[in-house]
Amino acid sequence: ETGVTQSPTHLIKTRGQQVTLRCSSQSGHNTVSWYQQALGQGPQFIFQYYREEENGRGNFPPRFSGLQFPNYSSELNVNALELDDSALYLCASSPASGGGPNEQFFGPGTRLTVL
Amino acid sequence: GENVEQHPSTLSVQEGDSAVIKCTYSDSASNYFPWYKQELGKRPQLIIDIRSNVGEKKDQRIAVTLNKTAKHFSLHITETQPEDSAVYFCAALPREVTFGTGTKLQVIP
Repeated sequence: ETGVTQSPTHLIKTRGQQVTLRCSSQSGHNTVSWYQQALGQGPQFIFQYYREEENGRGNFPPRFSGLQFPNYSSELNVNALELDDSALYLCASSPASGGGPNEQFFGPGTRLTVL
Repeated sequence: GENVEQHPSTLSVQEGDSAVIKCTYSDSASNYFPWYKQELGKRPQLIIDIRSNVGEKKDQRIAVTLNKTAKHFSLHITETQPEDSAVYFCAALPREVTFGTGTKLQVIP
């Protein structure tokens, strides 16, 4: 098991609501990436945070936003939830960014269901 | 951005046989290629990775090969066992991870 934790493990929301997902990175890691994994598909990159700044973004609308805190933990916020937002949300931490890619360590994920 | 294609989408092999999964990528700047194994309901777990300055890497029954010129890389699993059954994802990145579409491997006892 990695040292990456996520909360909550499961969440049920209704359309139009807002949700905040949390991730604690592995000790010593300063980069956190978020992914959306729909059922039966591969994870899709949402964005990455490095030292509290957004450091890359995938093809997701602005209602997907994030934060990274000084302790390198991170939040993913999704506004105006849609049915298609139902998915497993994974965060992954890695030891550095900018100097080249490094192994990413995944958390267990948050299963979001939008009704 | 990077685009990663993965084949086959499903693969069934007899226990003890070999399994090969192939991926191609589009971004010549990609220089790190991890492979992940994901069991049902669990997180992706790194099983092997390769960097662009290496052509092949082995770890026990698992090996990965990389052809930078052709922009493709492959996962080879020898002497497959039932516990190898899972979904396997290839990925490529210069920075963020772009995953392939996954291969569901079933090892038949």
